[in-house]
Amino acid sequence: DAGVIQSPRHEVTEMGQEVTLRCKPISGHNSLFWYRQTMMRGLELLIYFNNNVPIDDSGMPEDRFSAKMPNASFSTLKIQPSEPRDSAVYFCASSIRQGGEAFFGQGTRLTVV
Amino acid sequence: GENVEQHPSTLSVQEGDSAVIKCTYSDSASNYFPWYKQELGKGPQLIIDIRSNVGEKKDQRIAVTLNKTAKHFSLHITETQPEDSAVYFCAATRGISSGSARQLTFGSGTQLTVLP
Repeated sequence: DAGVIQSPRHEVTEMGQEVTLRCKPISGHNSLFWYRQTMMRGLELLIYFNNNVPIDDSGMPEDRFSAKMPNASFSTLKIQPSEPRDSAVYFCASSIRQGGEAFFGQGTRLTVV
Repeated sequence: GENVEQHPSTLSVQEGDSAVIKCTYSDSASNYFPWYKQELGKGPQLIIDIRSNVGEKKDQRIAVTLNKTAKHFSLHITETQPEDSAVYFCAATRGISSGSARQLTFGSGTQLTVLP
């Protein structure tokens, strides 16, 4: 298996633009997590899904952030409109619901200028 | 909710020496404690984990200990090598027995540098 695949690896965008981050979890994994990593706040859970259903989105910082999981093999995290303070590395991770560890993707480094 | 504190934030050791990283957690219901290693430009990778029914677990040069009474757990790396240099994160969750997804709360990370 290729592991959790995220795209793009790097994204530079102007303030106010819409940004969409993509994630393909490991096949057979039922849970998917979106994390944000910054120097100041470390690794923060934004939202997670079980069987494509959002379970807890309390970590989503603002209404500008939204996440979807239309099927078991794909999820998106969208920021609209983006702001400079959204600059961070965004990680997607997946796990088997009742066992096993969370496997992380390589991350998307987002820079909003 | 869970709160995980991790110390130290940076750690430098000579090659061959041991390194110890410590974490404390606040939620007594937490029952699963993984450790992740993150190399530059990569996502965190699980290196070892421990469940609440076990006090110690070892895998070659790395070991983790758990003290549920005191609510702290530690990562021990022996015979350190330059390739052990990375950021290490501890985490905790109560999700393992509930059948729900593991909603991990991470510590703030430790930058380990192994000097040759």
